Amino acid sequence: DQQVKQNSPSLSVQEGRISILNCDYTNSMFDYFLWYKKYPAEGPTFLISISSIKDKNEDGRFTVFLNKSAKHLSLHIVPSQPGDSAVYFCAARGNSGGYQKVTFGTGTKLQVIP
Amino acid sequence: KAGVTQTPRYLIKTRGQQVTLSCSPISGHRSVSWYQQTPGQGLQFLFEYFSETQRNKGNFPGRFSGRQFSNSRSEMNVSTLELGDSALYLCASSLGGSINEQFFGPGTRLTVL
Repeated sequence: DQQVKQNSPSLSVQEGRISILNCDYTNSMFDYFLWYKKYPAEGPTFLISISSIKDKNEDGRFTVFLNKSAKHLSLHIVPSQPGDSAVYFCAARGNSGGYQKVTFGTGTKLQVIP
Repeated sequence: KAGVTQTPRYLIKTRGQQVTLSCSPISGHRSVSWYQQTPGQGLQFLFEYFSETQRNKGNFPGRFSGRQFSNSRSEMNVSTLELGDSALYLCASSLGGSINEQFFGPGTRLTVL
């Protein structure tokens, strides 16, 4: 049961344009959402997060939008740069057995074309 | 400040063997989580340790076990290895308490032949 889904395994975008990565979730009890970026041969690195009480969080070129009614979040990267080429994972935090647990999506590979 | 370190980085084993992976969290971090990454499956949560106690566990068979030491270093053990256990194993540390930002190590690439 994949509670966090990234339906697009890959995305190609021209340098300077906007990249939009999407993520859907099924568990309405998730209270915190995160995006991680992963380069080959490295572990994921934290990018940006958003609490379930907000609908937008911005950090430089990165903005995360949360639509709770649709159980959907998206990451916008503007403008996209070649160095943004990586695999992006969305993740959601929820409670399991009284403790917090983070559930990750399957990832979207972003390629930014110079 | 040193990041999360994992040893070894690469490992080749044969079916039926057992393996132990090690993770040293960022100094001061008390929570260590383990994940398995395979193509198409994303990061699958294995378990989380906090102050030497397993706080949460994913849906993996009992062949997968772990422990945490008093210095917060953690080990993961997989017994009776199967071909399907070939994966990248990642550990992540956080301060503890609320899991917000996790810091990941580079992972251990396990290949089971």
